Amino acid sequence: SQTIHQWPATLVQPVGSPLSLECTVEGTSNPNLYWYRQAAGRGLQLLFYSVGIGQISSEVPQNLSASRPQDRQFILSSKKLLLSDSGFYLCALKLTDREDPLHFGNGTRLTVT
Amino acid sequence: AQSVTQPDIHITVSEGASLELRCNYSYGATPYLFWYVQSPGQGLQLLLKYFSGDTLVQGIKGFEAEFKRSQSSFNLRKPSVHWSDAAEYFCAVEGRGSTLGRLYFGRGTQLTVWP
Repeated sequence: SQTIHQWPATLVQPVGSPLSLECTVEGTSNPNLYWYRQAAGRGLQLLFYSVGIGQISSEVPQNLSASRPQDRQFILSSKKLLLSDSGFYLCALKLTDREDPLHFGNGTRLTVT
Repeated sequence: AQSVTQPDIHITVSEGASLELRCNYSYGATPYLFWYVQSPGQGLQLLLKYFSGDTLVQGIKGFEAEFKRSQSSFNLRKPSVHWSDAAEYFCAVEGRGSTLGRLYFGRGTQLTVWP
């Protein structure tokens, strides 16, 4: 079965600093990959998704970006973090089978100070 | 546009009591439906899913959910709650077709279990 690795598990960064969160998957090929953010007291918000290498779709305008340099690697980045970027970031994958559910990694807790 | 409403932000039950968490959705057709559970600091774990067929679906940890098309609901139930069920529960819908793979989540229901 597929496995999702996210690191780091927690991160504290100052405002204005860059960000790079990495997600790698094992046990599958050519999955759809997703970045979700969960802010305190709020539900989950889809940030980006990717259906293949180099293919990124953005759901909301923001100062974050995503890249998929390899089939099983999905990276979330920022050049300059804002306080509002604090939250719990979850990587997820979905197999191309329509009736496969979304599978989540364990997340990265980002605190911007 | 799709949306999901979980009207109960926080529910408290005693261990051994029955549980029902409510979920209503807005979608033009029958969507795919999911319930996920999240323990503090963890990712989301799938409890159960509905794609088609029998409207009463069984999941892990003794949970079940019933899809009611007429009420646009997909409520989660468990006959006897265990202390380890304390967590946050999210209902989600996925559109079929062009929005495949894009889930819309409710805001979650926090479950507290009293011993």
